[in-house]
Amino acid sequence: SQKIEQNSEALNIQEGKTATLTCNYTNYSPAYLQWYRQDPGRGPVFLLLIRENEKEKRKERLKVTFDTTLKQSLFHITASQPADSATYLCAFLNDYKLSFGAGTTVTVRA
Amino acid sequence: EAQVTQNPRYLITVTGKKLTVTCSQNMNHEYMSWYRQDPGLGLRQIYYSMNVEVTDKGDVPEGYKVSRKEKRNFPLILESPSPNQTSLYFCASSLWGGDSLPEQYFGPGTRLTVT
Repeated sequence: SQKIEQNSEALNIQEGKTATLTCNYTNYSPAYLQWYRQDPGRGPVFLLLIRENEKEKRKERLKVTFDTTLKQSLFHITASQPADSATYLCAFLNDYKLSFGAGTTVTVRA
Repeated sequence: EAQVTQNPRYLITVTGKKLTVTCSQNMNHEYMSWYRQDPGLGLRQIYYSMNVEVTDKGDVPEGYKVSRKEKRNFPLILESPSPNQTSLYFCASSLWGGDSLPEQYFGPGTRLTVT
């Protein structure tokens, strides 16, 4: 069955550094991937979508890459700030169903 | 304001007592879905609907029912709740592009406890 995995549950980084999160998928070739941010007790908020024919997508300090050979997407937060502390989720669509990874919790220290 | 609303936000109930969690969106979205979120398991899709009267099972549909009689509403029904349905539930909506699903808008969540 299709599976989506995020590399680690938690990532602690110093303010100003770049956070890099990994999303790997198996047994499927999604046409695109989505990334969301979730704050404690709140619903996820959409950040970026990247299609299989796009190698990279940017939005302000966020950058997403999509490598269909490695079956992997990388999510980067550059010049991180304490306000970036949250859980980040990747997701892909498979036959009209949306599957999410378990998420990576990022903590940015001032 | 574009939004997805859910009610109630918090609910404590007992095993076997039927309950309904409502979900409504004001964005004229075709696609709506329900998720549950449990520690370590992430978000798992329960049911989804691509339009009025069109619903289908997600990854964890057992013990749940849904209906889509109007485009804006997508209630989640637990006919006989059990303790293993204690969870945080999210409703979401999105435009439907035929073969793609752009960003989903999530509701604020409903924390359900079944004793």
